[in-house]
Amino acid sequence: GAGVSQSPSNKVTEKGKDVELRCDPISGHTALYWYRQSLGQGLEFLIYFQGNSAPDKSGLPSDRFSAERTGGSVSTLTIQRTQQEDSAVYLCASSLAQERRTVRGYTFGSGTRLTVV
Amino acid sequence: QQQVKQSPQSLIVQKGGISIINCAYENTAFDYFPWYQQFPGKGPALLIAIRPDVSEKKEGRFTISFNKSAKQFSLHIMDSQPGDSATYFCAASKRNAGNMLTFGGGTRLMVKP
Repeated sequence: GAGVSQSPSNKVTEKGKDVELRCDPISGHTALYWYRQSLGQGLEFLIYFQGNSAPDKSGLPSDRFSAERTGGSVSTLTIQRTQQEDSAVYLCASSLAQERRTVRGYTFGSGTRLTVV
Repeated sequence: QQQVKQSPQSLIVQKGGISIINCAYENTAFDYFPWYQQFPGKGPALLIAIRPDVSEKKEGRFTISFNKSAKQFSLHIMDSQPGDSATYFCAASKRNAGNMLTFGGGTRLMVKP
C-alpha cells in the first residue's frame, strides 16, 4: 500500500488479556517506530527498529510490552496482561533510512485505539 | 525528563489571524526540528522542518522561526483557516540517534470562522 497500515483500528480488551497490534510499513522503509499517545497527550516513544540492527527498546514502559519485526517489514507490538493504564492510541511510523538528511520525516499510520476495560 | 516543552496546550484563533506555537528544548545535540499536524482519528503528518543552520523557514502560510542561542523554535501559521484546526506537535532529533524523534506535548488549535 501507499501508506503505513495498522490493524486493528480499534481494540477493546479485558484487563489481564494479551493483545497484539500490527503495523505494515511503507515498502522499502528500513526504519520502523512505535509510539503511544494517551488521551490529549503527546507522543511517547516505545521502540525503534532499523534494518537488521538490534532494536532500541529504551521506551518500553514495562516487560509486559514487546515488539518484533519479521523480515524487515511487518511489526507486531504485544502487550501482555493488559492494564487499564495501557489504554491509548498506539501509533506506528516508518521512514526511509537512518541518515536523516535523506529522509522526509516519519510517515505515521492512523493508529490502533486500545481500550482496556 | 521532558526534553521538548511545547506551549500553549490549546489555542483559539479567529479566521485570518496568526497562530503561534512555541517549543523549547534542552539537549544541544538536537539538530533537526520538525513540526507535525494531526487531525482527529489520523496519525501525525510532517508539516515543515528546520535545521539549526538557518533561523527561519517558510512554506506557504507556515513558518518556523529558530533561535539556537535560546534553544527555542516556533511555528507561525499566517492567515489561519478553519481547516488548520488540528493538533500540532513539535519534535527534535539528534545526530547519531537514527531518525528517532522526541515530541513535545502537542497544541490543540481551533480556528474560528
